[in-house]
Amino acid sequence: AQSVTQPDIHITVSEGASLELRCNYSYGATPYLFWYVQSPGQGLQLLLKYFSGDTLVQGIKGFEAEFKRSQSSFNLRKPSVHWSDAAEYFCAVYGFIGTGTASKLTFGTGTRLQVTL
Amino acid sequence: GAGVSQTPSNKVTEKGKYVELRCDPISGHTALYWYRQSLGQGPEFLIYFQGTGAADDSGLPNDRFFAVRPEGSVSTLKIQRTERGDSAVYLCASSFGQGGEGYDGYTFGSGTRLTVV
Repeated sequence: AQSVTQPDIHITVSEGASLELRCNYSYGATPYLFWYVQSPGQGLQLLLKYFSGDTLVQGIKGFEAEFKRSQSSFNLRKPSVHWSDAAEYFCAVYGFIGTGTASKLTFGTGTRLQVTL
Repeated sequence: GAGVSQTPSNKVTEKGKYVELRCDPISGHTALYWYRQSLGQGPEFLIYFQGTGAADDSGLPNDRFFAVRPEGSVSTLKIQRTERGDSAVYLCASSFGQGGEGYDGYTFGSGTRLTVV
């Protein structure tokens, strides 16, 4: 079945440490892939997206993600985490997933990032 | 407007009551989406409008939920006979078109937190 999986529910890193958040997808074709961030009480903000071409994409706030077709993954990375990065991170796939007749964003269950000082 | 506006930001209602949640998308965005986010979960698709018509309502959980977008701009999500299980954050998003090169995904509003007591 087509799906989006974020295996890590909660991750804690120290400020200044590197970060990698995992995302795996199951989809018939090459999908559009997105990472969103949600701070407490806020809406979802787009960090970066992948459609085609260079498999390493750069986003806002120093984040990057790498599309690996062979692993069906689109992991989010940041070399040095700041305390303000503490938030919930969602991977999403745009395409025909599940029921319905239209392409749409389907989200993973999210990874909560905690940053210790 | 500059962003996606959702009102009210918070709504507390009694079980069995009727509620309406409003979404004002970005001006010119033809696509409008409603999602529901329960505590600790990723957003789940409810309904998608292209212009005035509901192009995909496969995510509406039952016939107590209904949404309209009569003039192709503002949308209202309507919930009849509310139940405690309807408590969640209801997110609205809009986008310009669907897919294709340059597609920027969705812009989300800050959501309406619905609490049914």
